[in-house]
Amino acid sequence: EAQVTQNPRYLITVTGKKLTVTCSQNMNHEYMSWYRQDPGLGLRQIYYSMNVEVTDKGDVPEGYKVSRKEKRNFPLILESPSPNQTSLYFCASSPWTSGGAFTDTQYFGPGTRLTVL
Amino acid sequence: SQKIEQNSEALNIQEGKTATLTCNYTNYSPAYLQWYRQDPGRGPVFLLLIRENEKEKRKERLKVTFDTTLKQSLFHITASQPADSATYLCALDVRDNYGQNFVFGPGTRLSVLP
Repeated sequence: EAQVTQNPRYLITVTGKKLTVTCSQNMNHEYMSWYRQDPGLGLRQIYYSMNVEVTDKGDVPEGYKVSRKEKRNFPLILESPSPNQTSLYFCASSPWTSGGAFTDTQYFGPGTRLTVL
Repeated sequence: SQKIEQNSEALNIQEGKTATLTCNYTNYSPAYLQWYRQDPGRGPVFLLLIRENEKEKRKERLKVTFDTTLKQSLFHITASQPADSATYLCALDVRDNYGQNFVFGPGTRLSVLP
């Protein structure tokens, strides 16, 4: 089944304790992205990756890191989490359109609910 | 400043009627616009994409229009059903010389009443 998976689905941690949220897709998509969703603010893009070893900042990258060493995986790293990073996080992937240079639909993972105490 | 708005936070309509949701943006020049559906606790699910050179797109009971002059997209659900109740998000593709990122609207929570 074509899907985007995220782990863990739920995480409660404490301020300053490094954590990684994994994201994996089995659709051979070039484009992957991380979002956070907060009440009243909607979905905001954190980082995205156009392909292996190519990453760029979205609208809210502060406090986050990413890496794209393999096409299927795009982990989100919080080196020193803080309470303002408590949020619902989504990973998404997308193929390039055939013959085009831009992405088409995005496929979202199930979400990771993170609480930082 | 750049902004993307959706007409209302919540919209209630009667079953069988047409729901119309609005997405307005300022200071963006998107190559295309997408509409997603999101159910509580789930990830958004893609519904429709419309490109800047397209005026209208249809898929079953869904219709999207895109007016780049007005900087507005309308999303219609005809013959609405209670199962259509969800939050609907619009998203703009806003690319620059360095890459591509997406900006989402805050969403409209649609409730279709039986």
